[in-house]
Amino acid sequence: EAQVTQNPRYLITVTGKKLTVTCSQNMNHEYMSWYRQDPGLGLRQIYYSMNVEVTDKGDVPEGYKVSRKEKRNFPLILESPSPNQTSLYFCASSPWTSGVTDTQYFGPGTRLTVL
Amino acid sequence: LAKTTQPISMDSYEGQEVNITCSHNNIATNDYITWYQQFPSQGPRFIIQGYKTKVTNEVASLFIPADRKSSTLSLPRVSLSDTAVYYCLVGDRGAGTALIFGKGTTLSVSS
Repeated sequence: EAQVTQNPRYLITVTGKKLTVTCSQNMNHEYMSWYRQDPGLGLRQIYYSMNVEVTDKGDVPEGYKVSRKEKRNFPLILESPSPNQTSLYFCASSPWTSGVTDTQYFGPGTRLTVL
Repeated sequence: LAKTTQPISMDSYEGQEVNITCSHNNIATNDYITWYQQFPSQGPRFIIQGYKTKVTNEVASLFIPADRKSSTLSLPRVSLSDTAVYYCLVGDRGAGTALIFGKGTTLSVSS
């Protein structure tokens, strides 16, 4: 089944403790992206990647890191989480055919709480 | 990037047609208009995409006037299961740049 998977789905951690949220897609998509969603603010893009080893900042990149060493994986890294990073996080992917970004397919979400 | 403006919320009853309008005054020549649907605690799901005039698929229609400064998502005969948040996005499909979802429109359908 074509899908985007995220792990973990739920995470409670403490301030300053490094964490990684994994994202994997099995659709051979070039484009992958991370979003956070907060009440009243909608979805905001954190980072995106157009292909392996190519990443760029989205709307709210501060406090986050990403890497794209393989086409299928796009982990989100919080080196020193803070309470303001408590949020619902979504990973998404889309094909990149002839330079045209197609519709994005979203993962199930990761609910992160930083105490 | 073109900024979009949508109503914060809308209410409807089952069986009615719902039209959600999105304003995007600064849309660029290469920008497409895309709508997503999101249910609580789920990732957004693509509904429809268009560039100009009218696009229709099995779930919705998208109307785009000639000046492209706005667009209207039309949901025919809504049901309770259409209760969700609807997002309008405007962006260059070929640019691969950051996408801005905005706050969306919360549609509540009652029986």
